[in-house]
Amino acid sequence: DIQMTQSPSSLSASVGDTVTITCRASQTINSNVNWYQLKPGKAPKLLIYAAYILQSGVPSRFSGSGSGTDFTLTISSLQLEDFATYFCQQCYNMRYTFGQGTKLEIK
Amino acid sequence: QVQLVESGGGLDKPGGSLRLSCAASGFIVSEYYMTWIRQAPGKGLEEVAHINSGSSSPNYADSVKGRFTISRDNAKNSLNLQLNSLRAEDAAVYYCVRGNYRYSMHFFDYWGQGTLVTVSS
Repeated sequence: DIQMTQSPSSLSASVGDTVTITCRASQTINSNVNWYQLKPGKAPKLLIYAAYILQSGVPSRFSGSGSGTDFTLTISSLQLEDFATYFCQQCYNMRYTFGQGTKLEIK
Repeated sequence: QVQLVESGGGLDKPGGSLRLSCAASGFIVSEYYMTWIRQAPGKGLEEVAHINSGSSSPNYADSVKGRFTISRDNAKNSLNLQLNSLRAEDAAVYYCVRGNYRYSMHFFDYWGQGTLVTVSS
């Protein structure tokens, strides 16, 4: 299986900050990476697919980049509602795997 | 609009069984890749079983193969997951999720809120 190594595992930031989360794949996966936001008790939300394409309805302060093995999710000008856990996921082959998650907390 | 609502979670003993259901609205379940993804406490996400559109055969993670069964009920437009021979490590929030494709890329575009499975004696 393709391993997705996500970092950091947790992150403290303030409203208005810009944060970056990274994922590294254990082999090249082109642009086959998606990013999700999870909040307790709520349905997880797709933020970005194909490494950089913003899902409809997702604010433009979210952006993704990367290809090959290294990928990033950047959240600019953090809002209160952005404090959540974020996961990357590879969709290069049918055995889809996720990163271990990054918990974004308020400083 | 698209909605996925899970039910059937709860507490059972090791070796026991549970049946999870997912009622879908706003789309036809049989026309999409449908999957169950779980998150154990303090852990990451794991896709445990999926079934593709049409009459595709189901697929399972090695961790649940032979114990879990995924199925669709086209009449009820729902997705099910039968969990047998439960183990402590099966305890998790189970999400019903729709897969979709765009530009030849696959992603999970709609998720339910999840149902909690607890395995304890």
